[in-house]
Amino acid sequence: EAGVAQSPRYKIIEKRQSVAFWCNPISGHATLYWYQQILGQGPKLLIQFQNNGVVDDSQLPKDRFSAERLKGVDSTLKIQPAKLEDSAVYLCASSDTGFFADTQYFGPGTRLTVL
Amino acid sequence: DAKTTQPPSMDCAEGRAANLPCNHSTISGNEYVYWYRQIHSQGPQYIIHGLKNNETNEMASLIITEDRKSSTLILPHATLRDTAVYYCIVTPGNQFYFGTGTSLTVIP
Repeated sequence: EAGVAQSPRYKIIEKRQSVAFWCNPISGHATLYWYQQILGQGPKLLIQFQNNGVVDDSQLPKDRFSAERLKGVDSTLKIQPAKLEDSAVYLCASSDTGFFADTQYFGPGTRLTVL
Repeated sequence: DAKTTQPPSMDCAEGRAANLPCNHSTISGNEYVYWYRQIHSQGPQYIIHGLKNNETNEMASLIITEDRKSSTLILPHATLRDTAVYYCIVTPGNQFYFGTGTSLTVIP
């Protein structure tokens, strides 16, 4: 079974530029999560989708971050415009139902460097 | 916010058992204990989870105290590939809050 796929793996941009990350979850998984992991910290949840609907985006900086999950499968996370403090690894995870005690499976992440 | 406390770092000799503690004194009755690990430059990897009973799989064992206020992840025979950051997470469902975890170094 293929795991969670993410691209690109690395991205370097200048501040105030835009960037987008892509995630393909495990086939059949209804729930998709985006996390931000700053160096030296644990992952922090940004947004959670159940199929193509948003369940929780309370930690998403909505003035510059946006995410969508069209057709309930793939998802993209966008930052516009980027700030220096957005330098981090962006992780995508998926789970089967998103219900009680559902294990999340993570992709390899995208490492973003904002100069 | 993370509701667990873990030591920031631990060492373990290769081939010996690694015992990683986690304190979760405010755990609620419906909250599960999950363990993940993150090897450098990779995404977090699921290890094991449990509610009340001790659990074992091919990777590790999870021992949860009777009052459920703490748990221990046991890697029975640590190898160099087990060097990673280990996260203990308490969650009632699908909201995972990661702390800073325990950095385990397996020493040859």
